[in-house]
Amino acid sequence: AQKVTQAQTEISVVEKEDVTLDCVYETRDTTYYLFWYKQPPSGELVFLIRRNSFDEQNEISGRYSWNFQKSTSSFNFTITASQVVDSAVYFCALSESNYGGSQGNLIFGKGTKLSVKP
Amino acid sequence: EAGVAQSPRYKIIEKRQSVAFWCNPISGHATLYWYQQILGQGPKLLIQFQNNGVVDDSQLPKDRFSAERLKGVDSTLKIQPAKLEDSAVYLCASSQLRLAGAGNEQFFGPGTRLTVL
Repeated sequence: AQKVTQAQTEISVVEKEDVTLDCVYETRDTTYYLFWYKQPPSGELVFLIRRNSFDEQNEISGRYSWNFQKSTSSFNFTITASQVVDSAVYFCALSESNYGGSQGNLIFGKGTKLSVKP
Repeated sequence: EAGVAQSPRYKIIEKRQSVAFWCNPISGHATLYWYQQILGQGPKLLIQFQNNGVVDDSQLPKDRFSAERLKGVDSTLKIQPAKLEDSAVYLCASSQLRLAGAGNEQFFGPGTRLTVL
């Protein structure tokens, strides 16, 4: 069955601390995509990154980095030197190419609420 | 480029009433999704359209929910009659049509927050 687990419900850090958000997924597909979205208090989901199942290279974008490990079915997200503006709910999501013939549907985790205090 | 537009932003109704939400996707995006996000949870897909055809509505409670995308552009989601458990944020998203299907980046609208009393 397809499933995304974000075990951390809430995380609170002080500004400039590094923080890692965990994501573990389950899928039977060999071809799939993983995503991270940010949902600030305004409510709109903002795309952060997409990674396909054949590309295990880690990625860095400014203060954000992602660690994809197929061996442990994890796709973790690290924010370096966190800032107050990083406060939001972060969702990890899975998209499979062969699920029920419906391609592109996102299966979301429950999200991790990150609070960055000044 | 204009983003995904949704209206209304907020709606409060009593149970057993009906309600409709509207979504206008990003211009040129063939695929449109409606998600339901209950407080404290991740969004859950209700229905996916490709142009004006339904691709997946397996999680849509069809006894009370309906959706249409008549001209392959904007879409309406309706609930009739509403129940207390329908209180949630309803998110619309759109993506470009690509051959592979999966992996398309979805762009989300601001959502409609529904409260059923």
